[in-house]
Amino acid sequence: DVKVTQSSRYLVKRTGEKVFLECVQDMDHENMFWYRQDPGLGLRLIYFSYDVKMKEKGDIPEGYSVSREKKERFSLILESASTNQTSMYLCASSRRTSRYISYEQYFGPGTRLTVT
Amino acid sequence: QKEVEQNSGPLSVPEGAIASLNCTYSDRGSQSFFWYRQYSGKSPELIMSIYSNGDKEDGRFTAQLNKASQYVSLLIRDSQPSDSATYLCAVNIPTTDSWGKLQFGAGTQVVVTP
Repeated sequence: DVKVTQSSRYLVKRTGEKVFLECVQDMDHENMFWYRQDPGLGLRLIYFSYDVKMKEKGDIPEGYSVSREKKERFSLILESASTNQTSMYLCASSRRTSRYISYEQYFGPGTRLTVT
Repeated sequence: QKEVEQNSGPLSVPEGAIASLNCTYSDRGSQSFFWYRQYSGKSPELIMSIYSNGDKEDGRFTAQLNKASQYVSLLIRDSQPSDSATYLCAVNIPTTDSWGKLQFGAGTQVVVTP
């Protein structure tokens, strides 16, 4: 059974803190993604990675960084948390794709982050 | 900006009836299509994937794809109150460096009434 896990379900941090969100998948997937989801704005891609140590910016990378040192683990880092980063953060993974075909993304349970 | 469009709803469906959800996409080169179900406060859960024109059935769910019309739909037969959720349509971005990225629609909220 496919499994994507995230380090925390709920997290409360203070403005200016450095925040680490971790995601682990056990499906040997090459691709991993970080999204945030806010009411009325849908899913927005922050960063993604298609291989170890490789990363690409998504649609809203500002204020975030990522790390992928091992194939199964993809970390999202908020360098200095701000209140506008209060959101639901979702990690996903998928198999390696060709140019024309993409495979299913499987999501973790999400982390609801509140920045006060 | 490539787009995936869905009616936001809510789509109210009597229990036992068929729910019909629609999704249109703008990039004619897209080849991979997915439907996800998302309960309130939870993460998206994959329901169906479809890659070829026509129908694909899985239990009470049927996905229909028409690439010429750039249209993908999801039918839920014998709707149950547990089907009440938001349904997200997702389409691949067919570029060399897309690396499996998907474009998600905003979702259609379905409410199944007893």
